Amino acid sequence: DIQMTQSPSSLSASVGDRVTISCRASQIISTYLNWYQQKPGKDPKLLIYGASNLQSGVPSRFSGSGSGTDFTLTISSLQPEDFATYFCQQSYTPYTFGQGTIVEIK
Amino acid sequence: QVQLVQSGAEVKKPGSSVKVSCTASGGTFSFYAIAWVRQAPGQGLEWMGGIFPVTDTTTYAQKFQGRLTITTDKSTNTAYMDLSSLTSEDTAVYFCARDDRRDGRWYFDLWGRGTLVTVSS
Repeated sequence: DIQMTQSPSSLSASVGDRVTISCRASQIISTYLNWYQQKPGKDPKLLIYGASNLQSGVPSRFSGSGSGTDFTLTISSLQPEDFATYFCQQSYTPYTFGQGTIVEIK
Repeated sequence: QVQLVQSGAEVKKPGSSVKVSCTASGGTFSFYAIAWVRQAPGQGLEWMGGIFPVTDTTTYAQKFQGRLTITTDKSTNTAYMDLSSLTSEDTAVYFCARDDRRDGRWYFDLWGRGTLVTVSS
């Protein structure tokens, strides 16, 4: 199976900060990479699909980039509602998720 | 607006089986695949398998081969996840998700709220 490694595992940031989360695949997956946000006790929410495509209804402060094995999720200006856990997922075959990155309030 | 409505929490004994349902309310999922993803307490997300209702084609993660069965009832727009030989390590929240595709890229764009399955003697 393809292994997905996210970094960092957690980070502390302030409202207004620019935040970057990385995700690395153990083999080339083209742009078969999705990003999800999950808040405690809730189901995950799709943010980005195909590495860089913003899901409908998701604020434009979220963006994704990368291809091959290295990917990045960027939040351009962190908002209070963005404090959550973020997961990457490869949809090449079969599906696997990264271990998650917790974004906490500094 | 389609919603995925899952069945309620379950408490099971080790060695038993659990069957969780996922009903598409307000629409149909016939033209989408349905995936099952679980999350152990305080842990990450784990894809278990999925089904394409139009053909009833199933795909399972190797880890669950032999004890996971995913089925659908198209007359009620319901998908089922049946996991057998339960152990305490199967204690988790089980999510169903709609597995959609655009521009050749697959993603989970609609999720159920999750069903807590607790395995305890």
